[in-house]
Amino acid sequence: RKEVEQDPGPFNVPEGATVAFNCTYSNSASQSFFWYRQDCRKEPKLLMSVYSSGNEDGRFTAQLNRASQYISLLIRDSKLSDSATYLCAVRGNRDDKIIFGKGTRLHILP
Amino acid sequence: ETGVTQSPTHLIKTRGQQVTLRCSSQSGHNTVSWYQQALGQGPQFIFQYYREEENGRGNFPPRFSGLQFPNYSSELNVNALELDDSALYLCASSLRTASTGELFFGEGSRLTVL
Repeated sequence: RKEVEQDPGPFNVPEGATVAFNCTYSNSASQSFFWYRQDCRKEPKLLMSVYSSGNEDGRFTAQLNRASQYISLLIRDSKLSDSATYLCAVRGNRDDKIIFGKGTRLHILP
Repeated sequence: ETGVTQSPTHLIKTRGQQVTLRCSSQSGHNTVSWYQQALGQGPQFIFQYYREEENGRGNFPPRFSGLQFPNYSSELNVNALELDDSALYLCASSLRTASTGELFFGEGSRLTVL
């Protein structure tokens, strides 16, 4: 089983729709969780950290389910500018490396 | 902008050659991580440096080596280049004492091996 797994997509979603991605991780001792956004041929940029109680930033909501070892990202009222690859990332403990999934490609359609 | 800078941005090498990539961390960050990202893949962890010492390594052969300097800048060296080494090499800095230790990436060095 890979350490961090994501559905590669692509997800083709009409503008204004709600879309959700999941990401599963194998290390039950993982402590920190993140979603990164990566535009084509650019570097990944931190979208949001994921906290145990879940957190929201505008149209974006992230959830953590430790029992089932997955994190999710929900995007509401999607915009054309949301088209990108979304990378899930997990850290074992504070000093451990951060492992990335392969990413989920999202295309928002006009 | 993250404040992490990498050089060079693009380079072309031939098989068997050696390459050095450079990274300057964001001010105040004490940890540097290097990742390799092949086309269509997620970033793969190469290694991490903290206080000038390697502090974790991914599944990469010894011909991938690195350094961290007292000012927290870093180098990635790759010897005996192979075609499969063609990728985007990403440097990321972080602060070990931060609660979650998010990574902040530079724009990357795109290496093509012919």
